[in-house]
Amino acid sequence: AQSVTQLDSQVPVFEEAPVELRCNYSSSVSVYLFWYVQYPNQGLQLLLKYLSGSTLVESINGFEAEFNKSQTSFHLRKPSVHISDTAEYFCAVSENDYKLSFGAGTTVTVRA
Amino acid sequence: NAGVTQTPKFQVLKTGQSMTLQCAQDMNHEYMSWYRQDPGMGLRLIHYSVGAGITDQGEVPNGYNVSRSTTEDFPLRLLSAAPSQTSVYFCASSVTAGEQFFGPGTRLTVL
Repeated sequence: AQSVTQLDSQVPVFEEAPVELRCNYSSSVSVYLFWYVQYPNQGLQLLLKYLSGSTLVESINGFEAEFNKSQTSFHLRKPSVHISDTAEYFCAVSENDYKLSFGAGTTVTVRA
Repeated sequence: NAGVTQTPKFQVLKTGQSMTLQCAQDMNHEYMSWYRQDPGMGLRLIHYSVGAGITDQGEVPNGYNVSRSTTEDFPLRLLSAAPSQTSVYFCASSVTAGEQFFGPGTRLTVL
């Protein structure tokens, strides 16, 4: 069975500064990897995903994540954050069987 | 498309009461699932279904029942509510492995 560890529970960051959210997973088979974002009092929205192919994936709002198979990681980065990026971010993994395992989440708070 | 809808948005129960959380999707997705979200624990899978008439247990199924009589609907039943079931519940659906669409959630408090 797969598991996901998000190494930071809280990440405070100033507006226009870079941010990195760390995610490591464990699995004995090949996996699909996801980052979801949850804005206050809302459901989860898919931010980006790795299914196959290029190990660097990007979202439409400037986030990117890189799949590193040797380090079993899928860290999320953004070079310059906005106030509107304040949210909780969840890393998730699937062993291609429709079931998602989530990390505990990282709360990003962007301050002016 | 409305996507994934959940009702109610908020619910307060007394210990021992039963209730059903409703979930519906209009995207013709075969796969549907229920999660609970608790602080510091992320989302944990309660039950899931890979199609009408087929359900299976997830990570934390105790105290919950599900059924899937149609592709569109996937209700979650609490048989005898306990304070430990106070949580936010999310329903999700998917057409492919892993990439799931989530509903807005139901915030449940059990007193």
